[in-house]
Amino acid sequence: GQNIDQPTEMTATEGAIVQINCTYQTSGFNGLFWYQQHAGEAPTFLSYNVLDGLEEKGRFSSFLSRSKGYSYLLLKELQMKDSASYLCAVMDSNYQLIWGAGTKLIIKP
Amino acid sequence: GAVVSQHPSWVICKSGTSVKIECRSLDFQATTMFWYRQFPKQSLMLMATSNEGSKATYEQGVEKDKFLINHASLTLSTLTVTSAHPEDSSFYICSARDGDLITEAFFGQGTRLTVV
Repeated sequence: GQNIDQPTEMTATEGAIVQINCTYQTSGFNGLFWYQQHAGEAPTFLSYNVLDGLEEKGRFSSFLSRSKGYSYLLLKELQMKDSASYLCAVMDSNYQLIWGAGTKLIIKP
Repeated sequence: GAVVSQHPSWVICKSGTSVKIECRSLDFQATTMFWYRQFPKQSLMLMATSNEGSKATYEQGVEKDKFLINHASLTLSTLTVTSAHPEDSSFYICSARDGDLITEAFFGQGTRLTVV
């Protein structure tokens, strides 16, 4: 079966760095997406990785290792507004998005 | 990025009635739209894939007669929850992709449905 695993909840301090991991097992791979979702709102796109390595975009970076079925989202200089759920999604061989359950990130002052 | 508009944002209805949710792509043509359901603290659950001009493809376990999907044009898909019951109360979200198969999904604002 297809499976996406990520931690349920993480806590970090304002101004610090946090890494949210995602491991996956899917039928085929056409890229991995990270989305941010604030409570009661729809997800918003953060990043897309299809090749191994690190993609940096401002305070957010995303890493992918296809051989390990592993990705992480790195958030630097955390701000209170970064408190949200972060969803990992993999596009499988049928171009369908398989979603993880999301990681709730709590930022403390 | 592309804009997807979903309406209404929230709705309260009586048990037994039907509710229609609209999803529009405002600045692009979406041949395929996706309907999700999300329970509190859970991930997105794909309900169905809506293809313009053809019947929707429903995921296993989703009742097609209860959740009617219509995709009449390249910019509009609708989800109708028929004979709603309290257990249908949930957050419903639509999404669409612009063009190529491998692109980010753009989401509507979501609809919070409460059946009383």
